[in-house]
Amino acid sequence: NAGVTQTPKFQVLKTGQSMTLQCAQDMNHEYMSWYRQDPGMGLRLIHYSVGAGITDQGEVPNGYNVSRSTTEDFPLRLLSAAPSQTSVYFCASSAAVGTQYFGPGTRLLVL
Amino acid sequence: DAKTTQPNSMESNEEEPVHLPCNHSTISGTDYIHWYRQLPSQGPEYVIHGLTSNVNNRMASLAIAEDRKSSTLILHRATLRDAAVYYCILRDNGNTDKLIFGTGTRLQVFP
Repeated sequence: NAGVTQTPKFQVLKTGQSMTLQCAQDMNHEYMSWYRQDPGMGLRLIHYSVGAGITDQGEVPNGYNVSRSTTEDFPLRLLSAAPSQTSVYFCASSAAVGTQYFGPGTRLLVL
Repeated sequence: DAKTTQPNSMESNEEEPVHLPCNHSTISGTDYIHWYRQLPSQGPEYVIHGLTSNVNNRMASLAIAEDRKSSTLILHRATLRDAAVYYCILRDNGNTDKLIFGTGTRLQVFP
């Protein structure tokens, strides 16, 4: 199993550009989440999903969209990138309410 | 979501035991105590979790106070590879899978 994979590993955007961060898991997990981590801080929950077709907002959802059309994939869309969205983004998955498995992260720099 | 309080940093020498404390005075009866750790430049990884009784696994032990308002993660023999940020998280085993991270404890291990 590859576990949780994220692409790209690193991305530079200009203010106002849009992009999609990809997240995939091959463990047939129901639950998937997106977090962001700013320097020296803990992780903050952006959006999460409890199954295909179901998503909900976390602590810091503004400026981000998600969808969950399949069990395996949970992409995160930045609608109009801002410098405040410069961060490291982690995707996680778990089987029901269980241990979360995290991806390696995507480092995003918005100029 | 109930909050946790952890020291910002701790130090240990290699092969010595480490006790990482966590206070959670507002814990509710259904909250599980979870510990994750984040190695440098990686996503968080699960360490251990418990509800009321002390727990042991191959990575660590978790000691939970009788009133459940505090807990301690115990690394029995610290290695250089244990240098990481350790997060103590309260999690309601309800119908969501949200993890609310604090700032954690940065553990330094010296040879």
